[in-house]
Amino acid sequence: QVQLQESGPGLVIPSETLSLTCIVSGGSVSGYYWGWIRQSPGKGLEWIGYIYHSGSTDYSPSLKSRVTISVDTSKNQFSLQLTSVTAADTAFYYCARWSHYGGFDHWGQGTLVSVSS
Amino acid sequence: EVVLTQSPGTLSLSPGERASLSCRASQTITSTYIVWYQQKPGQPPRLIIYGASTRATGIPDRFSGSGSGTDFTLTINRLEPEDFAVYFCQQYGSSITFGGGTRVEIK
Repeated sequence: QVQLQESGPGLVIPSETLSLTCIVSGGSVSGYYWGWIRQSPGKGLEWIGYIYHSGSTDYSPSLKSRVTISVDTSKNQFSLQLTSVTAADTAFYYCARWSHYGGFDHWGQGTLVSVSS
Repeated sequence: EVVLTQSPGTLSLSPGERASLSCRASQTITSTYIVWYQQKPGQPPRLIIYGASTRATGIPDRFSGSGSGTDFTLTINRLEPEDFAVYFCQQYGSSITFGGGTRVEIK
């Protein structure tokens, strides 16, 4: 069974860069798209972007200027960088696998990232 | 950007009743590109329907999806206690966007 685990700092200073990594176990990153989704506490879901194992990416238009997603197939993991963060970027950040049939079918448990000085 | 509007915001029902959740898109979406998720407190979303009407692996048949064009519906027949949760629709016909969610709560 594929499992995903997010890791990274829980607190980021405003204007700095948020960096998270998602470690994939029980399966390979090869052959799938891998995505990042965030959810402000008590709010809805927002897609950030995703990456194919080859490195091809697609990002949310609203975040595109600040987002970079990368993949390391040798470590079976992928990463998110979000620059110039503000309090509005405070959220639970989830990593997930995009199913061949559509939709994110495997998710990490999520990690809360707070942006505060 | 495709905006998905879910209604109602909250649905108060009793176990055994039927839930009907609406997801309306701001433009026509091919039904292939409509997905539904269930989310319980403290948990990530769980994929329940893809392609507007196909149940994901392990999802009981009391869950069904339908719709076309701009109007899509998730129906839960005979609500079980574990079905009380928040449900989100998602489209990926044009970028990826999610609806704001419908909370199904116990009446």
